[in-house]
Amino acid sequence: IAGITQAPTSQILAAGRRMTLRCTQDMRHNAMYWYRQDLGLGLRLIHYSNTAGTTGKGEVPDGYSVSRANTDDFPLTLASAVPSQTSVYFCASSAEAGASYEQYFGPGTRLTVT
Amino acid sequence: GQNIDQPTEMTATEGAIVQINCTYQTSGFNGLFWYQQHAGEAPTFLSYNVLDGLEEKGRFSSFLSRSKGYSYLLLKELQMKDSASYLCAVCSNDYKLSFGAGTTVTVRA
Repeated sequence: IAGITQAPTSQILAAGRRMTLRCTQDMRHNAMYWYRQDLGLGLRLIHYSNTAGTTGKGEVPDGYSVSRANTDDFPLTLASAVPSQTSVYFCASSAEAGASYEQYFGPGTRLTVT
Repeated sequence: GQNIDQPTEMTATEGAIVQINCTYQTSGFNGLFWYQQHAGEAPTFLSYNVLDGLEEKGRFSSFLSRSKGYSYLLLKELQMKDSASYLCAVCSNDYKLSFGAGTTVTVRA
């Protein structure tokens, strides 16, 4: 593994189903983030974690939950998917949560909720 | 709230120069990032400005004016591979990034 990996690459999901998007990084970064990217809206922060064991809500957290049991993994769960959650989801990480630290992005998961 | 504006699309010719503007109104300011995103791929870091002035990095330069809430990304000697979306992102007081919608640059031969 080099950098950040996400799984699955793409998924079609029936509305009402539960889904977990996986994210793993091997850079020993403390901070991790989940974004969704929709056409015309840019990247929007869903949840974040400044360090293992802590999480926080971003701009659009409703309908999503996260956990950070260790440094490497940061899964995003949709408890009961709705069509408005159709989007491309990017996981990112940075060495620390401070201002000057660039974020490294995973390849993304394309999710379609029908 | 955060308000970050950048043009939706720009077109330029190979070898030319293109300037992508970004204006912002945010709750606090801790720096401005530019990212490049090719279609279907992840964003990748280009530059970070926290002080006023110009930062040059090869063919790409980024400028910041904090008093005007303004930044631009300058792409020189355009190449076909520069066709991509360019994302302006502001780091606010809580150290979280707010992104603009992105500017799609198309480079034509």
